[in-house]
Amino acid sequence: DVKVTQSSRYLVKRTGEKVFLECVQDMDHENMFWYRQDPGLGLRLIYFSYDVKMKEKGDIPEGYSVSREKKERFSLILESASTNQTSMYLCASSLRTGSSYNSPLHFGNGTRLTVT
Amino acid sequence: KNQVEQSPQSLIILEGKNCTLQCNYTVSPFSNLRWYKQDTGRGPVSLTIMTFSENTKSNGRYTATLDADTKQSSLHITASQLSDSASYICVVSGGGSQGNLIFGKGTKLSVKP
Repeated sequence: DVKVTQSSRYLVKRTGEKVFLECVQDMDHENMFWYRQDPGLGLRLIYFSYDVKMKEKGDIPEGYSVSREKKERFSLILESASTNQTSMYLCASSLRTGSSYNSPLHFGNGTRLTVT
Repeated sequence: KNQVEQSPQSLIILEGKNCTLQCNYTVSPFSNLRWYKQDTGRGPVSLTIMTFSENTKSNGRYTATLDADTKQSSLHITASQLSDSASYICVVSGGGSQGNLIFGKGTKLSVKP
């Protein structure tokens, strides 16, 4: 079974702090994703990466950056945390398939971040 | 605008009963449609993925249907169990890249004894 591990389940940070959220997958997947999930809004894509050192902006990249130095690890960075970044953050990975893009996403169990 | 709408928002049923969740989408182009189950406090888990040519797909007691002409999908749960209590999320892929996934807001299902 694919395992996607997020380093923290719960995190409390102060406004203005730099925050690192780490994600590791063990199935040699090319694609990795960072989403945030808020009540009533569903999942929204922050950034994704389809290869080492490659990154693409998602729908809501403002205030975030990412790093992918190794295939198995994808980090989300909040440069200067703000209260509106309080949310559940979900990391996911998938295989890069052919034109049908039928590979399912495999999610971690999330990091609930509170910024005070 | 690409959108995925799910109904109902929430649903309460008794254990052992069947239920059907709906998903309507306006995504174009269309690549595939996915259903995920998300238990409270956990990440979503894939139930089914259907492409344009597939009308129905089953995964145990879960059966998903797809009508690509009307752009509608449903997820039918048979003989519900307490463990089916979760949010069910419909996701449509617009192709192009794996970053082009449009998520519905989910249906929260509660199964009561």
